[in-house]
Order: sequence, then C-alpha cells, then structure tokens
Amino acid sequence: SQQGEEDPQALSIQEGENATMNCSYKTSINNLQWYRQNSGRGLVHLILIRSNEREKHSGRLRVTLDTSKKSSSLLITASRAADTASYFCATDASGTYKYIFGTGTRLKVLA
Amino acid sequence: DTEVTQTPKHLVMGMTNKKSLKCEQHMGHRAMYWYKQKAKKPPELMFVYSYEKLSINESVPSRFSPECPNSSLLNLHLHALQPEDSALYLCATSGTVSSGANVLTFGAGSRLTVL
Repeated sequence: SQQGEEDPQALSIQEGENATMNCSYKTSINNLQWYRQNSGRGLVHLILIRSNEREKHSGRLRVTLDTSKKSSSLLITASRAADTASYFCATDASGTYKYIFGTGTRLKVLA
Repeated sequence: DTEVTQTPKHLVMGMTNKKSLKCEQHMGHRAMYWYKQKAKKPPELMFVYSYEKLSINESVPSRFSPECPNSSLLNLHLHALQPEDSALYLCATSGTVSSGANVLTFGAGSRLTVL
C-alpha cells in the first residue's frame, strides 16, 4: 500500500497547548498537504508544502518536510477546542491526480 | 460559488437496490474524484475523472459505476452493494493554487448504509 502512516493515532491536549502530529510517506512526491476533517464531514485543506521547501507557516500552523526521511510534521500552536478534529496528510504521486491520505491523527482539545 | 455539493446526505439501500450519488461543482475544476471512507480510517481513492474522462480506477468492484456527464457533475451509480460497502462517500475536485499545485476541495459527503 502507498498509504502514509501518521502518529500519534490519537492525541488529547488542553486548550492553549501545542499539538504536533507526524506523517511518513513512501513514494517520491511533488508536494505534501494537510487536511482537517470534523466528525463525519468532508475534509478541508489546511496547508501545502512543496518538495523543495523545508518549512511553511500559516497562522497557527507550522509544517515541516524532510524528503530524505520521507516525513512531515504539523504543529498547531495555542490550540483551541475548535481544533478538535482528525488531521490527515496527503501526497500526490509525482504529478498524477492520485492523492493518497495518511492514516490520520484524531486530535481532541479539552476546554 | 465555491462549494462542492453532494446529494443525498444520507442513503439507506437494500442489496438489490439501484441508487446513485450525485456531486456538483461550479468551481471550474477539471478533475473530480470519488473517495470512500470507513469510520476512523482515511479516505480511500476510488475514481478520478480528468476533463470528463476516467483517468484512474483503483480496482473498484463493478457494482460501483462512475459517470461524469459534464464538467460540473459527477455521479456514482450503485447496484447490488454489500453491507461492507456502507461508508461515507466523498466527492472532491482539484484546482490549481497560486503555487501551481493542485489542492482538493471536498463535498460534505454522502453517508451510505447498505442493509
């Protein structure tokens, strides 16, 4: 399977704390993307990092990419209860339309 | 209008029924996708249409039949499904952002239950 692995599978933190989740993938990529999914709903695109980038920021989100290790991390700073959701990384196989999602991290932020 | 709209939101069907899931977009995107998602699992790619032609079929059983009548519509026809096909079915489109990469825009999904 080309599916990526994410860890942890589940994460529970207090409001105001930082949340870090990791993604490992198997194939060469053009870019890596992170998506959020609230329970039972569609996914929402959060941030994209290209294969020639090492770090990217967007608001409270920070993404890193290490192509030599085929891994990425998503950091959410100063978490809020509204950040409670599942987070998935997704990779595309060298310019195809084939977006494959990682196993996901279920984040719970306690108020 | 930047939405991807899926209908119905919920569908219950018997194993002998024929039903369809529908997806509509007005974003001008030329790639459209069907994903299947089981509880606490990631979305699994089923089909990709590019410029209204089927470009990827991830070895999906023939009881699932996709159709792309035009650039705004994507259907998934269902026939003789099994209870294990019960899942959330997600439609997505992809368009190019400023960096030149494609990102996915998802609909809210159709929750399918097969009895």
